[in-house]
Amino acid sequence: EVVMTQSPATLSVSPGERASLTCRASQRVSSNLAWYQQKPGQAPRLIIYGASSRASGVPARFSGSGSGTEFTLTINSLQSEDFGVYYCQQYNSWPPMYAFGQGTKLE
Amino acid sequence: LLVESGGGLVQRGGSLRLSCAASGFSTEFFVMGWVRQAPGKGLEWVSVISGSGETTHYADAVKARFIISRDNSKNTVDLQMNSLSADDTALYYCVKEGCSGGDCYDHFDVWGQGTMVAVSS
Repeated sequence: EVVMTQSPATLSVSPGERASLTCRASQRVSSNLAWYQQKPGQAPRLIIYGASSRASGVPARFSGSGSGTEFTLTINSLQSEDFGVYYCQQYNSWPPMYAFGQGTKLE
Repeated sequence: LLVESGGGLVQRGGSLRLSCAASGFSTEFFVMGWVRQAPGKGLEWVSVISGSGETTHYADAVKARFIISRDNSKNTVDLQMNSLSADDTALYYCVKEGCSGGDCYDHFDVWGQGTMVAVSS
């Protein structure tokens, strides 16, 4: 089964700076890689799908890239509302399962 | 919009049925599912069901104990949880698959606010 590993566990960045979050798969996966943002007390929100497509309403400062086993979420010019925990997720068709990474806390 | 209900406190070994009511779209065209989050922990996928209800998938941790079902006429998705243990204590989110087509599995674009399940020993 595919295991998704995110790094770093915690990333400290100042507003206005760029943040790069990494998600690695234990085996080569398709580009069906999604990123979610979760703020305290809130449900997760879809940010990126298909490795690089922004979800509806997501600002252009969010971008996704990668393929194979390594994927990156980049946030340019960090805003105060961007802080929270980010999860990557991949769907694997066999065995059928959705695999989440353990999360990166952006503070 | 997804609204979950049915959570609560249950004893170890007991059962609970969660329900998710969808509005603003027709569930029959989408895979629907459940994702849970234990207190202070990350996201864990639980189960999904195809648009027709004919195909279901479960995480190993809940296989043979949980049953997902749907009623497209009511736009609802349920999760019957049996033989509950402390490890099942979590906030359970109802989710909608982001790709259209009743048999498309990829990512989740709509999340409910969650319903809390606490299992006491």
